[in-house]
Amino acid sequence: GAGVSQSPSNKVTEKGKDVELRCDPISGHTALYWYRQRLGQGLEFLIYFQGNSAPDKSGLPSDRFSAERTGESVSTLTIQRTQQEDSAVYLCASSLGGGLADRITDTQYFGPGTRLTVL
Amino acid sequence: SQQGEEDPQALSIQEGENATMNCSYKTSINNLQWYRQNSGRGLVHLILIRSNEREKHSGRLRVTLDTSKKSSSLLITASRAADTASYFCATPPTSGTYKYIFGTGTRLKVLA
Repeated sequence: GAGVSQSPSNKVTEKGKDVELRCDPISGHTALYWYRQRLGQGLEFLIYFQGNSAPDKSGLPSDRFSAERTGESVSTLTIQRTQQEDSAVYLCASSLGGGLADRITDTQYFGPGTRLTVL
Repeated sequence: SQQGEEDPQALSIQEGENATMNCSYKTSINNLQWYRQNSGRGLVHLILIRSNEREKHSGRLRVTLDTSKKSSSLLITASRAADTASYFCATPPTSGTYKYIFGTGTRLKVLA
């Protein structure tokens, strides 16, 4: 079916406001990743969901960042009290997932990203 | 900080020439993956090479892996203007984490 979709594609907000970013993974993909990419930089891992297991939140930069995922469907990334340094493209990826042997060779399918600008 | 480091950071070549990008990493890996990113948006998986492989081909792409030097290279042969993009290497999670580590990328520009 369709690939990974993200919304909105662009978001401009004022410093201090909260924002919510959405990711719709490929149907049947149990694994979902969120990344942040600052201008001209590589990807920073934020959080990983695998099925109903506890997420790996080790990449979240501060407690202003949180993410949820309902089962194996949509995920939302919430940034509270946004700061100018939060400006970046936020990328979501999904993959088939599974056990260790599967996930380390998993191919990730990326969405087009949400470009967040904090004024 | 990122584990993977690609070099060069930027590369500009003429159409038809070959483009070589290198990636270095720091820890032991099970495999290494290369991705392409157009216009700063979503990434597309290109190729995966396992730690017990030394070379792998896919169309015009050739990837090599030297685990003793902790480095990999991506060669694009007979480049085309459409190959203009940023290229990233990525190393998968090690035990206890799901964190893929992406390099800082090589920006390739192919001039027609």
